[in-house]
Amino acid sequence: AQKITQTQPGMFVQEKEAVTLDCTYDTSDPSYGLFWYKQPSSGEMIFLIYQGSYDQQNATEGRYSLNFQKARKSANLVISASQLGDSAMYFCAMREGLSNSGYALNFGKGTSLLVTP
Amino acid sequence: DAEITQSPRHKITETGRQVTLACHQTWNHNNMFWYRQDLGHGLRLIHYSYGVQDTNKGEVSDGYSVSRSNTEDLPLTLESAASSQTSVYFCASSESTGEEEKLFFGSGTQLSVL
Repeated sequence: AQKITQTQPGMFVQEKEAVTLDCTYDTSDPSYGLFWYKQPSSGEMIFLIYQGSYDQQNATEGRYSLNFQKARKSANLVISASQLGDSAMYFCAMREGLSNSGYALNFGKGTSLLVTP
Repeated sequence: DAEITQSPRHKITETGRQVTLACHQTWNHNNMFWYRQDLGHGLRLIHYSYGVQDTNKGEVSDGYSVSRSNTEDLPLTLESAASSQTSVYFCASSESTGEEEKLFFGSGTQLSVL
């Protein structure tokens, strides 16, 4: 079963607007971590933000924030004041504390974001 | 600066050939991972290692092998390349086993099997 679900294959947003990229996850492990990575057209994987399952507050990193709703098992990425350089593929990922694959990350299929002028 | 490098960046090979993709990190990380990225699938785990002489199978390990003889390197070998193994391959590493530890990724290797 898919552990990380990103339901939006593609998204458009106008420059300077905010955008939310959806991510839901599936785990029965009480201890887990959620990550977002950005992959621009050049191909590298860039870490954006992390949220731990026991964190009381939503994570923020500059223009990125993570809307963590534990009961709904969602970890949506919010990008404020979008810039043209935000156009990229975005991946949500999870690490489970008791995973059989140790501490590897389990990735979603990604959302392609296009920021328009 | 510490880094993680993959080579080659691009590789074209023929069906049935053995291919080895290199991954070298200077972070001194114990944990290293190989993923493949395919359109519509995101990144899928192939193999991973928690230290020298330790290797483990991931979700899509069939047809691949790895070996870890030192901390810095985790080469990925395709024993007999198949067209289904055409993909972008990413190597990654992390420092420890805490839930908060992010992965550092290499730049990727584009492999085409003809």
